[in-house]
Amino acid sequence: AAGVIQSPRHLIKEKRETATLKCYPIPRHDTVYWYQQGPGQDPQFLISFYEKMQSDKGSIPDRFSAQQFSDYHSELNMSSLELGDSALYFCASSLGAIYSGNTIYFGEGSWLTVV
Amino acid sequence: AQSVTQLDSQVPVFEEAPVELRCNYSSSVSVYLFWYVQYPNQGLQLLLKYLSGSTLVKGINGFEAEFNKSQTSFHLRKPSVHISDTAEYFCAVRGSGNRDDKIIFGKGTRLHILP
Repeated sequence: AAGVIQSPRHLIKEKRETATLKCYPIPRHDTVYWYQQGPGQDPQFLISFYEKMQSDKGSIPDRFSAQQFSDYHSELNMSSLELGDSALYFCASSLGAIYSGNTIYFGEGSWLTVV
Repeated sequence: AQSVTQLDSQVPVFEEAPVELRCNYSSSVSVYLFWYVQYPNQGLQLLLKYLSGSTLVKGINGFEAEFNKSQTSFHLRKPSVHISDTAEYFCAVRGSGNRDDKIIFGKGTRLHILP
């Protein structure tokens, strides 16, 4: 079965550079979530989108922005990168934010290293 | 708002012995509860979930969890662990309201299987 696809899987950037992570949800899923997991940390919720509109916002820095496109894929843009942004970034998708009992499926994650 | 407390950051257990990973949650509304597993350098995989109905939930890989509303707990158990169960286990909660649809993770419990 198709899963959540994230790209790139690994990314190395220098401080103050910009990075873009992409997420392709499971087909027909209309809700996308972004999480950040620092080394040895639990995943922290950043932001979510339902039907291309932002539905919730967590601890996302102002330097980060995200959007969901008409084909439901999502991109997380990170600017002025800092060393502390080095983390595993998860994208997840589900069907329908209205019924929160629907399972959220996670991608394999994108490893961002800022040097 | 919801929160999750995983009481043990690490749990060592001998192979073929039983294990229990503890999880307590806090919420002012009804919740859905989840356990996710993260193998080294991999993404998050759903082990099991409690939405409603029977309080004993069976998941993949022989794991099960019991929802106890009075104790606000959702402990994960396995009667006999295998070396392949070595991983980080995250308990997670999600509000059951229409718009409160993000998952909140606990800090995680690292399961060490001893030979």
